[in-house]
Amino acid sequence: QKEVEQNSGPLSVPEGAIASLNCTYSDRVSQSFFWYRQYSGKSPELIMSIYSNGDKEDGRFTAQLNKASQYVSLLIRDSQPSDSATYLCAVNRDTDKLIFGTGTRLQVFP
Amino acid sequence: DAGVIQSPRHEVTEMGQEVTLRCKPISGHDYLFWYRQTMMRGLELLIYFNNNVPIDDSGMPEDRFSAKMPNASFSTLKIQPSEPRDSAVYFCASSLARTGGLDTQYFGPGTRLTVL
Repeated sequence: QKEVEQNSGPLSVPEGAIASLNCTYSDRVSQSFFWYRQYSGKSPELIMSIYSNGDKEDGRFTAQLNKASQYVSLLIRDSQPSDSATYLCAVNRDTDKLIFGTGTRLQVFP
Repeated sequence: DAGVIQSPRHEVTEMGQEVTLRCKPISGHDYLFWYRQTMMRGLELLIYFNNNVPIDDSGMPEDRFSAKMPNASFSTLKIQPSEPRDSAVYFCASSLARTGGLDTQYFGPGTRLTVL
């Protein structure tokens, strides 16, 4: 079992729809959770972090964390073609290290 | 701020040659991370430094890989000898220390390595 698992996709959604990206993790002691966006040929950039159970909203993005189920998700409202990218889920194990999932490719079509 | 700087951006070499990748972290950042990204394995942490000291190199695939951080503004990742399976994009990232956990990691543009 991988430490951080994501569906590789592609996840295709129409412009204006809600895109839902999911991630599960295996280490129950994980404390911090991150979503990075990576455009093709570019480097990852942080878009959301979440540390406690529940929802965290930032503009069109909402991160959801359920530690009991070891599940973290990212919702993108009003999806735009510019949101088309690979979304990487990352989990903090120990204090200083991040473990990344292999990413979900999102395609938003006009 | 210029962000994390990596060089070269692209490297093509032949099997058996030595490869050196370079990274300049964001000024003032305490942590420096080296990652490797492939389609099959995703983004993997190779090694990271805190205040120029290597903390965890458990991700370094084998003895052919080595990394140094001689000062706060420079780090190298060396592969000697290189093999075709080392072909990947290598990212350097840096972050500030944060009490109780991680701060944002800022990634450099990456070095695309191709070993023929």
